[in-house]
Amino acid sequence: GAGVSQSPRYKVAKRGQDVALRCDPISGHVSLFWYQQALGQGPEFLTYFQNEAQLDKSGLPSDRFFAERPEGSVSTLKIQRTQQEDSAVYLCASSLVERLAADTQYFGPGTRLTVL
Amino acid sequence: GDSVTQMEGPVTLSEEAFLTINCTYTATGYPSLFWYVQYPGEGLQLLLKATKADDKGSNKGFEATYRKETTSFHLEKGSVQVSDSAVYFCALRGTGRRALTFGSGTRLQVQP
Repeated sequence: GAGVSQSPRYKVAKRGQDVALRCDPISGHVSLFWYQQALGQGPEFLTYFQNEAQLDKSGLPSDRFFAERPEGSVSTLKIQRTQQEDSAVYLCASSLVERLAADTQYFGPGTRLTVL
Repeated sequence: GDSVTQMEGPVTLSEEAFLTINCTYTATGYPSLFWYVQYPGEGLQLLLKATKADDKGSNKGFEATYRKETTSFHLEKGSVQVSDSAVYFCALRGTGRRALTFGSGTRLQVQP
């Protein structure tokens, strides 16, 4: 596709349920990022992949959050035993690995997760 | 750690007014600076960027200059349009890092 796509666009979960959020990056983009955006706030970094390697997961808030990108393309963010504080928009972004100073991240539309 | 502070909104302007949205940052080394825009119902889009001190980023009539001496990257536009109504995010990428650090966003409302 022409841009980053994410699915589902909206997800409602009961507290304690597990959820899986999918990201399809722009074709050929090596880098993939996940961000969490709480209502009225800016996005906050969760984790970063280069191809299938997870190079930075310093932003994951707890061990309930897990991300994978097994074939270096599609990525899944999984949240186990969801809590109300997990309610947010989850954004995926991808970029070409160019010279770092010129690297630009392209964002998907996000998945809005609501935990009841 | 790295951080970005931007003016709170909403900012409400009449069409053709001059726009300034302030952004200051804290970071070590030489970060790259960005402005992203989020139009209603759409995803984040890169508006402009600057990668070194004194660089000016520009796009669609918007400009921002990387001022290292004041650690600022203020967004300006000479004449706003109703179609500029959106949320604007200032962001930085720290030295040697890939992840972006965002400010909390500023909502701009332009009235006809």
